Amino acid sequence: GAVVSQHPSWVICKSGTSVKIECRSLDFQATTMFWYRQFPKQSLMLMATSNEGSKATYEQGVEKDKFLINHASLTLSTLTVTSAHPEDSSFYICSARDNRQSYEQYFGPGTRLTVT
Amino acid sequence: KQEVTQIPAALSVPEGENLVLNCSFTDSAIYNLQWFRQDPGKGLTSLLLIQSSQREQTSGRLNASLDKSSGRSTLYIAASQPGDSATYLCAVRHASNTGKLIFGQGTTLQVKP
Repeated sequence: GAVVSQHPSWVICKSGTSVKIECRSLDFQATTMFWYRQFPKQSLMLMATSNEGSKATYEQGVEKDKFLINHASLTLSTLTVTSAHPEDSSFYICSARDNRQSYEQYFGPGTRLTVT
Repeated sequence: KQEVTQIPAALSVPEGENLVLNCSFTDSAIYNLQWFRQDPGKGLTSLLLIQSSQREQTSGRLNASLDKSSGRSTLYIAASQPGDSATYLCAVRHASNTGKLIFGQGTTLQVKP
């Protein structure tokens, strides 16, 4: 099956700094990538959807200037959390699909962000 | 607005039992429904996907049913094993194949040896 990787798997950063999370589709081209956030014992909440080469579409309540998403290639999307605060600590999961092949989404293993 | 609810939130059973996890959704205009497994601190593994025109899907010891008109789906796990311990998430894709996946809160299952 299709594989999606994320890097890093976990990261600790200090409040006020920025951190970048990478999401890669390893064996397929991802025309669309999704970023989700999951707080402890809660479900996945969609943050934004990005199509390759286009600006991301953010869900209501998600600050686009705080969560910068870049989807510059068909195999890589990045999420940058700018000026991170402790309340940004969460589990971030990306998902990808190739709309030209099927609409099934494949999920990455997630990145645990802790802001101290 | 589509809302997905999973009951129970947590479940503990002895090994070998058959069990049922429930998922309900408020808007029946779904394109498909998917069940995922999530191990602690890990990403999602897709278990079963049911198209809106289908009634059920089976994979090994897992059987998922869908009653779109009543807004319900069940995941049946036969002969549960300790390795089945995980959180099970139900998600519906709204309206079209490009619609968003809306997730339930999950059911955390513990199978005791």
